[in-house]
Amino acid sequence: NAGVTQTPKFQVLKTGQSMTLQCAQDMNHNSMYWYRQDPGMGLRLIYYSASEGTTDKGEVPNGYNVSRLNKREFSLRLESAAPSQTSVYFCASSQGPRRDEQYFGPGTRLTVT
Amino acid sequence: AQSVSQHNHHVILSEAASLELGCNYSYGGTVNLFWYVQYPGQHLQLLLKYFSGDPLVKGIKGFEAEFIKSKFSFNLRKPSVQWSDTAEYFCAVKLLYNFNKFYFGSGTKLNVKP
Repeated sequence: NAGVTQTPKFQVLKTGQSMTLQCAQDMNHNSMYWYRQDPGMGLRLIYYSASEGTTDKGEVPNGYNVSRLNKREFSLRLESAAPSQTSVYFCASSQGPRRDEQYFGPGTRLTVT
Repeated sequence: AQSVSQHNHHVILSEAASLELGCNYSYGGTVNLFWYVQYPGQHLQLLLKYFSGDPLVKGIKGFEAEFIKSKFSFNLRKPSVQWSDTAEYFCAVKLLYNFNKFYFGSGTKLNVKP
């Protein structure tokens, strides 16, 4: 099993450009999450999907959109990138809804200039 | 505001020293508790978890954590650290009335000197 995979690993954008970060899991998990990690701030939840067909906002959703394409895939879109979105983005999945832990992908390092 | 606090932001130890990293949370009700580790350049990996039962839980690589409900704490311990334990450690809380949200602390960077 590959677990949770993310593409791309690195990306540099100019302010105003758009892009989509892809995430897929092969563990048949119900729930999927997008986090951003910034120095000294830990992980902050951007959006999550409790199950296929549902998405909800987390702590820092502004400037992002998500799509739960199917049970395996959960994408994060930046419509108009800003320098404040420079961060490392992690996708995670969990079996849900109780007594479970999250499994993380390798991350995408995004720089917006 | 509800939060997860890790008071030690950066810890430097020599090999064989004992480790204790603090984690406190401010949520009421039943919680699941986790410690994750992030080695340099890698993604987060689960160290250990607490769901219920014995408040002293053991994880991988000799780590353990104790849940003290009255203190809303879940501190991570290791009797003797190794250079390979150099990493960032994150405490996380999952609220059982909000099944799908995990809340993370800001992390503690551990630097073990050989």
